[in-house]
Amino acid sequence: QQQVKQSPQSLIVQKGGISIINCAYENTAFDYFPWYQQFPGKGPALLIAIRPDVSEKKEGRFTISFNKSAKQFSLHIMDSQPGDSATYFCAVSYGQNFVFGPGTRLSVLP
Amino acid sequence: DSGVTQTPKHLITATGQRVTLRCSPRSGDLSVYWYQQSLDQGLQFLIQYYNGEERAKGNILERFSAQQFPDLHSELNLSSLELGDSALYFCASSVGSSRSTDTQYFGPGTRLTVL
Repeated sequence: QQQVKQSPQSLIVQKGGISIINCAYENTAFDYFPWYQQFPGKGPALLIAIRPDVSEKKEGRFTISFNKSAKQFSLHIMDSQPGDSATYFCAVSYGQNFVFGPGTRLSVLP
Repeated sequence: DSGVTQTPKHLITATGQRVTLRCSPRSGDLSVYWYQQSLDQGLQFLIQYYNGEERAKGNILERFSAQQFPDLHSELNLSSLELGDSALYFCASSVGSSRSTDTQYFGPGTRLTVL
């Protein structure tokens, strides 16, 4: 059973546009929701993370929106840049249970 | 640069063989995690060691084993290799033992190709 679903699988955005990636989970026990960014040939790197006691967290151009009742959270990239082109993974975690989503490949066109 | 090092960068071997992947965590980190990344399975957690002891186990096959040494570096051993084992293998490290509270820092990965 897939513990976290991520959409879209791929995304193409024009420079300056907003990129939105969504994740949905089933287990209400999850209490940590990070997003990782992975460039080709590199390992994933933590981008931003949120806990369920807040509905939104912003760091620069990156924002996580969290909807606890819907069991969904999303990553918004404002003013998307070609340098943001990468694969983005959401993840869900509680205790030692940590699961990555399948990933979204983002391409930002110049 | 995350501070996590992995060797080798690339590895090409044949079915049935055995290989060892090596990981050195960031200075001060006590946890080491191993992940497998393939196109069809995504990022799969294999195993975690904390200060030399196995802490958590994920989808690790019986043909695979790992250990963490007193100097905290870790090795992932893959034996009786099959074509389907071809993947990127990542090591990550963190200060503490919890993936819910401690940021994991990923290494650059080892690309394994089984022919």
